[in-house]
Order: sequence, then C-alpha cells, then structure tokens
Amino acid sequence: NAGVMQNPRHLVRRRGQEARLRCSPMKGHSHVYWYRQLPEEGLKFMVYLQKENIIDESGMPKERFSAEFPKEGPSILRIQQVVRGDSAAYFCASSEDRDQPQHFGDGTRLSIL
Amino acid sequence: QKEVEQNSGPLSVPEGAIASLNCTYSDRGSQSFFWYRQYSGKSPELIMSIYSNGDKEDGRFTAQLNKASQYVSLLIRDSQPSDSATYLCAVNNQAGTALIFGKGTTLSVSS
Repeated sequence: NAGVMQNPRHLVRRRGQEARLRCSPMKGHSHVYWYRQLPEEGLKFMVYLQKENIIDESGMPKERFSAEFPKEGPSILRIQQVVRGDSAAYFCASSEDRDQPQHFGDGTRLSIL
Repeated sequence: QKEVEQNSGPLSVPEGAIASLNCTYSDRGSQSFFWYRQYSGKSPELIMSIYSNGDKEDGRFTAQLNKASQYVSLLIRDSQPSDSATYLCAVNNQAGTALIFGKGTTLSVSS
C-alpha cells in the first residue's frame, strides 16, 4: 500500500495518560502535516514537518502536544496528560513538496475515558 | 483569522442532475485551492486541485476559480447516489504550509 499509513486506527486512553499517534507518508513524500477534526467541526491544521524539522506549528496547542519526524521512521504526534477535550479524529497528510496536493491517511480516532 | 466559508447544506439533488458547491475564502494571498470528499467516518479524499483562474475539468467534476472574487466552486455532473458525502473546500495559506478547510457542504443524491 503506497498510501499514507496511520496507526493505530483507534486509541483509547484514560485522562492523564499519554497518546502517541504514528504516520508514515506516501512513498516519495517528505512533507507531513497533522490535522485534528473535532466532532461536528471542520479539519484544523496543527503542524507541518519535513524530515527532522518542524516548519510550521502555529496550529498546535502550546502545552501537552508535540510532534516529530525523525530521519528514520514515522512522524509521531504525542499528546501528554490527555483530557476529554482531546477526543477527536487526528489525520496525517503528506505531499511531495510544499504547496502541493496533500493526501490523507485513514486517521486515528482518539477516545479519552 | 483566515477563513474558508461553505454552505453546510444539505444540498439535495436527484440522480443525474448537476450539483453545484460553492466556497469563498478570505486570504487574497492564497494560491492553491482544493476540493476533498469525505464520507461519514472516513478520511478526506482529494478530488480536484486548481491554481489559476478559470475552469478545470476532470471526468464528471469541474472546479472553477475566481481569485478577484475569492470564490471557488465545484460542479458535479450526472450526480450519482455514491456522490453523497461531505465536500470540503481547502485553501493553502500564503506560506503554503497549511490547508485551511471550510466546514464542508453535505451533498445528498437521491435515486
């Protein structure tokens, strides 16, 4: 499968735990984006990364959220000390270059108990 | 705050008709425009991209862009029940680092 791969598809955490979401971009893509979709709301940009660099994190909450895209391996979106308001679908997208069409993965549905 | 506005719908059309979806955006510096389709519980699927004024056709889909009016539209010809979904308009920010999405228009095609 040459598409954007996200795992896990579903993740359940209790309040205060950590959530780690992983994303492998499409083959040939080195630009990765994370978006969040809250119930009944639109997709909101969180962060844009290239290998080993965060390019734009203007949509990321200042606390508890972090993202990385190491030289080897998938991009990781990490949420520390999760709260009920973090429950959402988190989508990763990738593109061949900046300002090129972004292709989305199937998403991770995060539920906080 | 840069915004993308869409009518939420639902837009209901009979099978075989033309569905017309509209979108306006606030950032005059935006250069890239996209339409995504999202089925309930699924991820957004790219269906059209457009970068210059005018029309762009791909099969049953035609995207139209008017930068002076800050307006993007999507026409779906010969609509099918399988086209029933939410259609998301997305616009790149000036830096090209993020897509700004509208909340989507729900399309329902009845057979």
